[in-house]
Amino acid sequence: DTAVSQTPKYLVTQMGNDKSIKCEQNLGHDTMYWYKQDSKKFLKIMFSYNNKELIINETVPNRFSPKSPDKAHLNLHINSLELGDSAVYFCASSQDGGTGDETQYFGPGTRLLVL
Amino acid sequence: LAKTTQPISMDSYEGQEVNITCSHNNIATNDYITWYQQFPSQGPRFIIQGYKTKVTNEVASLFIPADRKSSTLSLPRVSLSDTAVYYCLVGDMEGNYQLIWGAGTKLIIKP
Repeated sequence: DTAVSQTPKYLVTQMGNDKSIKCEQNLGHDTMYWYKQDSKKFLKIMFSYNNKELIINETVPNRFSPKSPDKAHLNLHINSLELGDSAVYFCASSQDGGTGDETQYFGPGTRLLVL
Repeated sequence: LAKTTQPISMDSYEGQEVNITCSHNNIATNDYITWYQQFPSQGPRFIIQGYKTKVTNEVASLFIPADRKSSTLSLPRVSLSDTAVYYCLVGDMEGNYQLIWGAGTKLIIKP
């Protein structure tokens, strides 16, 4: 019974293609996140949604577009994929306790390789 | 601009206590300090969180001095299974919605 799930787990594609990664959480959390982890293991937050509203939008190319159809889902669409997009993408969620100390629960990651 | 700094790597031996320190000089008033553990091919996992002084749970302790400009994760009596990357996170999801992750410390435990 996975708390935060992502699909697909692996994604190999050609430069210039458009792809989507899906994320779902069954924890009843209000906030969801997308992270990019590069080969040096740096974790970089990309976006965060709270109750379907965008609250963090870091400096990422506009080829990346998050979509939150409901608070349990946060999908990431990437247009015109580039070699530098190759990384592991993690989805996470946290409960909006209103105190600033929310624990994040991470998915297993999607390993994207752009050829 | 807030920034967190932690050692790139550390080695230790089974049964020892390991302390990993994170520097966060520009921590804001409302920021919490959280530590995560990541094993290969997995997402990060929450270990411990604190705001000030000392916090202890079943797996670790977190020491935060009065000025809150650094924090130390303490792992008592480590085992081989504690080999992982440990991340320090400073952030606030209530006020300024900023999350500043450290670069991670790769901890290797030897027999």
